[in-house]
Amino acid sequence: DGGITQSPKYLFRKEGQNVTLSCEQNLNHDAMYWYRQDPGQGLRLIYYSQIVNDFQKGDIAEGYSVSREKKESFPLTVTSAQKNPTAFYLCASKSAGGDEQFFGPGTRLTVL
Amino acid sequence: SQQGEEDPQALSIQEGENATMNCSYKTSINNLQWYRQNSGRGLVHLILIRSNEREKHSGRLRVTLDTSKKSSSLLITASRAADTASYFCATDRAGSYQLTFGKGTKLSVIP
Repeated sequence: DGGITQSPKYLFRKEGQNVTLSCEQNLNHDAMYWYRQDPGQGLRLIYYSQIVNDFQKGDIAEGYSVSREKKESFPLTVTSAQKNPTAFYLCASKSAGGDEQFFGPGTRLTVL
Repeated sequence: SQQGEEDPQALSIQEGENATMNCSYKTSINNLQWYRQNSGRGLVHLILIRSNEREKHSGRLRVTLDTSKKSSSLLITASRAADTASYFCATDRAGSYQLTFGKGTKLSVIP
């Protein structure tokens, strides 16, 4: 059963804490992406990775960090420097020769 | 920056009617894609149209692209209650792996 998984589905964080969101794919895709979605808004790109051990900042990278040590995994850390982290976070992947992005089910992060 | 802008922001129709959503964008593209998002879920790819195509069909979906006007439309025919969702257009950024998403059209189909 191929696809993208994200965990946890819901995450609560106290102000000042770092949290890490998991994203795993078994589609053998080279590229992976992290988006943030706020209520009634579209998706904004946080970070993306075209290949293992390489990643680039998207439009709103400040306060976030990522790693790409394995092809299957692209975790996102929301740091305490992110001033307004409450949002819905979506991970996606894409094959090198394709155009379509495949999305995970998302993680809803709430800062208490 | 968000390049695609959908219109209308929200659309409510009766089951069986057709639904039309529009998308405008600002810069040259290689392709334009439409995605669907059910409430609180991830996005699902619906259809892709390339810059050299003018119209494309997939089941009850029809997409048009007018590169001179930098606009696209998505038509869903004979809508069903299960079509209730938000619909997003996404444009590629030339020479990159990135997509730029619009803010979406929220479609409600009333049984």
